[in-house]
Amino acid sequence: NAGVTQTPKFRILKIGQSMTLQCTQDMNHNYMYWYRQDPGMGLKLIYYSVGAGITDKGEVPNGYNVSRSTTEDFPLRLELAAPSQTSVYFCASSYTAGQGLTEAFFGQGTRLTVV
Amino acid sequence: AQTVTQSQPEMSVQEAETVTLSCTYDTSESNYYLFWYKQPPSRQMILVIRQEAYKQQNATENRFSVNFQKAAKSFSLKISDSQLGDTAMYFCACPDTGGFKTIFGAGTRLFVKA
Repeated sequence: NAGVTQTPKFRILKIGQSMTLQCTQDMNHNYMYWYRQDPGMGLKLIYYSVGAGITDKGEVPNGYNVSRSTTEDFPLRLELAAPSQTSVYFCASSYTAGQGLTEAFFGQGTRLTVV
Repeated sequence: AQTVTQSQPEMSVQEAETVTLSCTYDTSESNYYLFWYKQPPSRQMILVIRQEAYKQQNATENRFSVNFQKAAKSFSLKISDSQLGDTAMYFCACPDTGGFKTIFGAGTRLFVKA
C-alpha cells in the first residue's frame, strides 16, 4: 500500500526560484491537504481540496498555489521562493465516514530550505 | 476562530510510568472524530488513537487511552507503561466547523527517560 507519496524528500532552493512539490494518493480520498511545519511548531494549513477541481485557502496560503485536476494528485507550487518558506511540508489525505471527517493519512514530508 | 489547545509544551516521564497529555478543543460539529497523532524524530505523522464523539466509552489502543469529556470539550491522552520509543511530539486534532479540514494543536513534546 503506497498511501500518500510526496516528492522530493529534500530540496534546497535559491531565493526567487520556483518549484513544485508533488503529492499523490492511491486511496481514492476526496480530501487532500498541504501543511507546513516550522521547527518545533505545529502544523499550519496552506491549502486544501474537497475534490477534483475544488481547492481553497488555509491559514497560510501566501506564496503558494495548488491545483487538483484528479482525485489522486494535489501538487503544491512555490513561486519566487523566500527564506520564510523554509519549512517541512506535509501532504495529507482523508475521507468522511459516519461521524464526519476521519483521520488524515500523511506523506513522509519534504524538507525545503531556501537560501 | 476554531482552536485546539494543548497547554503543555513539553513533558517528561520515567520509563514504565504513566503520563497524561491534555487537550481542549472547540468545534460546532455535533458528530465528529477526535485524534491524537505522534510525530517521532523521523517526522512521520502517525495516528495514535481515534475517538468518536457520539460514543461515551473512551477509546483504548494497547497502552494508549483517552479521557473524553464531550461537554467540557476535553480530550486527554494517557500513556501507560511509557517506553523510550514513546519519545515524540504529540498532536491533538479535531475537525473544523464545516467538517472539511482538521485543526491541529501546537503539540506537546514528550521525553521518556530511562
